[in-house]
Amino acid sequence: GAVVSQHPSRVICKSGTSVKIECRSLDFQATTMFWYRQFPKQSLMLMATSNEGSKATYEQGVEKDKFLINHASLTLSTLTVTSAHPEDSSFYICSASFGGEQYFGPGTRLTVT
Amino acid sequence: LAKTTQPISMDSYEGQEVNITCSHNNIATNDYITWYQQFPSQGPRFIIQGYKTKVTNEVASLFIPADRKSSTLSLPRVSLSDTAVYYCLVGARMNTGFQKLVFGTGTRLLVSP
Repeated sequence: GAVVSQHPSRVICKSGTSVKIECRSLDFQATTMFWYRQFPKQSLMLMATSNEGSKATYEQGVEKDKFLINHASLTLSTLTVTSAHPEDSSFYICSASFGGEQYFGPGTRLTVT
Repeated sequence: LAKTTQPISMDSYEGQEVNITCSHNNIATNDYITWYQQFPSQGPRFIIQGYKTKVTNEVASLFIPADRKSSTLSLPRVSLSDTAVYYCLVGARMNTGFQKLVFGTGTRLLVSP
């Protein structure tokens, strides 16, 4: 089946620094990828839709200058959390569309101290 | 995007059949119904997908009535390892993959010995 990977699986950073999270489709090409955020005991919240070769589409309330998304190739999308703060600590999950289905990555746990 | 409503939580015992019902009154003609399973600190995992009537795979069955305003995920003979959150989502199926999926609250299933 289609596999989506994320790197890193967990990261700890200091407040004010930036963190980049990678999402890769390992055995298929994905023109569209999605980024979600999930707080403890809560559901996944869609942050943005990432389209290869074009600007990402952000959901209402998500700061596009804070959460930079780049989808430079058909197998890689990156999410950069700029000037991270403790309230950005969360579980970030990406997904990629292929064959009419969405495949999710394993998630990245971000902790901002 | 069709909104979904599920029970917040359900309890069961090992070996029992579990049925989780999801309502999606505003489902559109092009929408498919997909169920995902999520364990703590992991990305959602695809369980089953359907459009109408009944779909069965090796892990679950999905029942969809004629009006498609609801669907029921059936897990036969659950085990402790089925303890997880189950999400019901609806979305249109496109050639390049689904449109963006919006997660509802999900159903937290607890299976006890």
